[in-house]
Amino acid sequence: GQNIDQPTEMTATEGAIVQINCTYQTSGFNGLFWYQQHAGEAPTFLSYNVLDGLEEKGRFSSFLSRSKGYSYLLLKELQMKDSASYLCAVSGFQKLVFGTGTRLLVSP
Amino acid sequence: DGGITQSPKYLFRKEGQNVTLSCEQNLNHDAMYWYRQDPGQGLRLIYYSQIVNDFQKGDIAEGYSVSREKKESFPLTVTSAQKNPTAFYLCASSPTRGESQPQHFGDGTRLSIL
Repeated sequence: GQNIDQPTEMTATEGAIVQINCTYQTSGFNGLFWYQQHAGEAPTFLSYNVLDGLEEKGRFSSFLSRSKGYSYLLLKELQMKDSASYLCAVSGFQKLVFGTGTRLLVSP
Repeated sequence: DGGITQSPKYLFRKEGQNVTLSCEQNLNHDAMYWYRQDPGQGLRLIYYSQIVNDFQKGDIAEGYSVSREKKESFPLTVTSAQKNPTAFYLCASSPTRGESQPQHFGDGTRLSIL
């Protein structure tokens, strides 16, 4: 079976750094995706990790530890527009399994 | 511009009625997917198709049907057998069946019961 856990909601201040964690237990694993979804809109691709370690892409970084079944998304220099849901998704057996998402609220 | 187009944006269904949600892509992607999103829940896979004229059930296929007669199109029919159809429906596509390919999403269709 598949089980993916993320915190339901997080709050942070503009300009700060926030880390959104994702833990997973899956029967098949090829890689892990992070998506951003603003309310009522389509998810957009942020990052993909297949090997252990940190992938950096501008203000966003994503980390993966396959042995621990753990990933995190790190957002730096937070901006108001970063207020959104962040979805962790595990890839395996030709499909994605999504976590419930973490709703991030950035305040001034 | 290449992308995925879902229509309509909002749809209302009467009791006992079948409704069809449209999904068209001009990205030349082989694989297409349908997800359902409910408040407080993640995206759940309804059906997916890796190639024309072939599709597989996802985790919550009951009460839904699909077809894949053309590479560009993957319509989803919500049948009267689906007793709780109110949700946000998202269509996605990816270049190939490879699991390392990010999926690109349409803007979604919000379905409600009248």
